[in-house]
Amino acid sequence: KAGVTQTPRYLIKTRGQQVTLSCSPISGHRSVSWYQQTPGQGLQFLFEYFSETQRNKGNFPGRFSGRQFSNSRSEMNVSTLELGDSALYLCASAEAGPSYEQYFGPGTRLTVT
Amino acid sequence: AQTVTQSQPEMSVQEAETVTLSCTYDTSENNYYLFWYKQPPSRQMILVIRQEAYKQQNATENRFSVNFQKAAKSFSLKISDSQLGDTAMYFCAFMKPNTGNQFYFGTGTSLTVIP
Repeated sequence: KAGVTQTPRYLIKTRGQQVTLSCSPISGHRSVSWYQQTPGQGLQFLFEYFSETQRNKGNFPGRFSGRQFSNSRSEMNVSTLELGDSALYLCASAEAGPSYEQYFGPGTRLTVT
Repeated sequence: AQTVTQSQPEMSVQEAETVTLSCTYDTSENNYYLFWYKQPPSRQMILVIRQEAYKQQNATENRFSVNFQKAAKSFSLKISDSQLGDTAMYFCAFMKPNTGNQFYFGTGTSLTVIP
């Protein structure tokens, strides 16, 4: 099976702009989670989608949003970008079963200038 | 909220030697899952090993094994016969079932294997 893919891999935006990141999970996986990774805060959970429904959300402002499509692909959107949003955004997919193992994509490196 | 602590920011080990990475966590839950993930310089996170809290037997995967001490809330990773390819950041993670696959990660340990 193909692994988790994320596009784009690198992105440079300016403050105030918005950005959309995409994640395609492993075939058959219905759960997609998003994480923000920064040197200062480490890995922080953004939200998780399962069968097009958001099941859980981390402590991030409303500028961070996401959605999941019927084919399980997911997008996350960040509006009104701030310098502090510069980070590696990781997407992870998981099966519906009880293994709870998450498989991560390579990430999207977002730089806000 | 659950917290995961990795108290060793950096470690090094000679090739072929054994190294142990520490992880402690804080939770009031009885049923949960623990994981070790590896993030090589290429940045793709890879699952190394997982442990179900209800299982007393420590998990092993080839050269990787854990020492799970539930009462002490400790979950250390032992890497035997260290190889150059083991050089990476290692993250300990906690997950509580039925919470939408939300993982709580530690801050990571940067492991360098010295030839």
